Amino acid sequence: ETGVTQTPRHLVMGMTNKKSLKCEQHLGHNAMYWYKQSAKKPLELMFVYSLEERVENNSVPSRFSPECPNSSHLFLHLHTLQPEDSALYLCASSQDPLTTYEQYFGPGTRLTVT
Amino acid sequence: RKEVEQDPGPFNVPEGATVAFNCTYSNSASQSFFWYRQDCRKEPKLLMSVYSSGNEDGRFTAQLNRASQYISLLIRDSKLSDSATYLCVVNNQAGTALIFGKGTTLSVSS
Repeated sequence: ETGVTQTPRHLVMGMTNKKSLKCEQHLGHNAMYWYKQSAKKPLELMFVYSLEERVENNSVPSRFSPECPNSSHLFLHLHTLQPEDSALYLCASSQDPLTTYEQYFGPGTRLTVT
Repeated sequence: RKEVEQDPGPFNVPEGATVAFNCTYSNSASQSFFWYRQDCRKEPKLLMSVYSSGNEDGRFTAQLNRASQYISLLIRDSKLSDSATYLCVVNNQAGTALIFGKGTTLSVSS
């Protein structure tokens, strides 16, 4: 399936590095999301974008910086991360940010911070 | 009370068994309810939405009890391919975000 793609699939970075995660959706959706999934924890919503505007920001540390240049692309810029930031980062999209709509997830980027 | 609470399992059942998962949610104002499925090392995918009147999709039946703030998923005639983690999902009070439970792990064996 290629509805929502994410790159890279795996990333190892040091605490002083700067890297970016990329997400692209090919579904014509208007809303995009970043989630964090850590072991033994539920999915945590990080950011929501609707028509390129951020509509939700769940008290995420500033070392995570999202960018949505258009409705098909979403980035997550990372800098000075901590080891506890190691997790699976999932991008999702939906037709509309209203939560009655199904969210389609990408395969995720597995991030390890050393 | 956690926003969305599920029994983590694992539930280990033989093929052909019927298994039920339960979920409770804390926000009485929630209006949207879903079950998502997540296979090992894969992304979550929508299994089914949950409607007030209850709904069925093949071997899967979802029920909602608003008074008790409780959602259930029943799987009949379990298949090996049903082995996965089942995530209970509810929307937040503002209706702007989905809240996921930790998931219940099902393992179906032959």
